[in-house]
Amino acid sequence: DGGITQSPKYLFRKEGQNVTLSCEQNLNHDAMYWYRQDPGQGLRLIYYSQIVNDFQKGDIAEGYSVSREKKESFPLTVTSAQKNPTAFYLCASSIDGGGASSYNEQFFGPGTRLTVL
Amino acid sequence: DQQVKQNSPSLSVQEGRISILNCDYTNSMFDYFLWYKKYPAEGPTFLISISSIKDKNEDGRFTVFLNKSAKHLSLHIVPSQPGDSAVYFCAASEGSSNTGKLIFGQGTTLQVKP
Repeated sequence: DGGITQSPKYLFRKEGQNVTLSCEQNLNHDAMYWYRQDPGQGLRLIYYSQIVNDFQKGDIAEGYSVSREKKESFPLTVTSAQKNPTAFYLCASSIDGGGASSYNEQFFGPGTRLTVL
Repeated sequence: DQQVKQNSPSLSVQEGRISILNCDYTNSMFDYFLWYKKYPAEGPTFLISISSIKDKNEDGRFTVFLNKSAKHLSLHIVPSQPGDSAVYFCAASEGSSNTGKLIFGQGTTLQVKP
């Protein structure tokens, strides 16, 4: 079955620690995205990648880092510099993140809930 | 500055009736709009989309209407079913930007009562 997997489902972190959230897709999609959702708010874009070995900052990139070494993987690191990291994190992918294919829907993974203790 | 707004945090309708969820946007460069449905602790699932060259798109019980002059879109669900109870997000994209980025509204929680 094709899809997007995120692990772990729940993650607890002590203040001052970095933590990495996993996102893997087997849809052969070029573009991948990381969003954060807070209670009562919509999804806000953290980082996105339109192609392997390239990524761009979204609207709230401060305190986060990403890598895109493989087409199917787009891990997100929440660093100790992120002031309010407790949130629900969602990874998404789309066939193509640019050109005429900008008119594509994004497919989402099940999410990771990160809690900072 | 919120470019995509869903001004109604919640909506309650009776099973079998019509649900109308609304969304407003401010950026006139947006030309592709989507609706997603989300259950708690799960990722959003795509429902329906519309490009700016159309004013209506229909898929089964779901219809999206776009009013470009008013910068307004709406999602109609007819007839509503209890399984439709979820949070609904509208999203917009500037296709010409070639980034695929989506801007999401805050979401509307729909409750369909049996």
